[in-house]
Amino acid sequence: DGGITQSPKYLFRKEGQNVTLSCEQNLNHDAMYWYRQDPGQGLRLIYYSQIVNDFQKGDIAEGYSVSREKKESFPLTVTSAQKNPTAFYLCASSSGQGAGTGELFFGEGSRLTVL
Amino acid sequence: AQSVTQPDIHITVSEGASLELRCNYSYGATPYLFWYVQSPGQGLQLLLKYFSGDTLVQGIKGFEAEFKRSQSSFNLRKPSVHWSDAAEYFCAVGFTGGGNKLTFGTGTQLKVEL
Repeated sequence: DGGITQSPKYLFRKEGQNVTLSCEQNLNHDAMYWYRQDPGQGLRLIYYSQIVNDFQKGDIAEGYSVSREKKESFPLTVTSAQKNPTAFYLCASSSGQGAGTGELFFGEGSRLTVL
Repeated sequence: AQSVTQPDIHITVSEGASLELRCNYSYGATPYLFWYVQSPGQGLQLLLKYFSGDTLVQGIKGFEAEFKRSQSSFNLRKPSVHWSDAAEYFCAVGFTGGGNKLTFGTGTQLKVEL
């Protein structure tokens, strides 16, 4: 079945460590996104990529980095510069690069806890 | 910049009762509007979307929403709620030229009493 796979589902990190969250899709979608979800704050966009080898900052990119070397993959690195990294992270993808008319398909999320 | 407001953080309804979840948006032109649902610890699933045309849109699981330009609203409705509808619901807005970059509301948590 086609879909988006995020791993790991749960991750614990010590302060000062970088961690990388994996996101893989087999939907042949051009665009991919990373959102952060905190209780009571909805989803906030971290980074997005509309095509391979290109990505843009979202609303809360500080302390995060991404790469888009393959169409199927869009890993997110949470760096030690991110002051409050504990959150639920959601990866999504969509087809097309045009107007905001496409449905976002979401993975099941990764919960990061900083100890 | 566009924004989305969901004024109700929590809503409790009895099973079989009707449901309306409110969503207001702020955007200068005609937006693209979405409702997503999230079960605990899971990703989001699209319920329905509005791009243009008929302002009353039908979605999955018996949900519908009505776009009212004059009120900048896109409220979600269901005539009879089932216990399995308990979840968190998010309204989102996109816009022309924004790619598929959506702005989400803060969500409404729905509890269903049996």
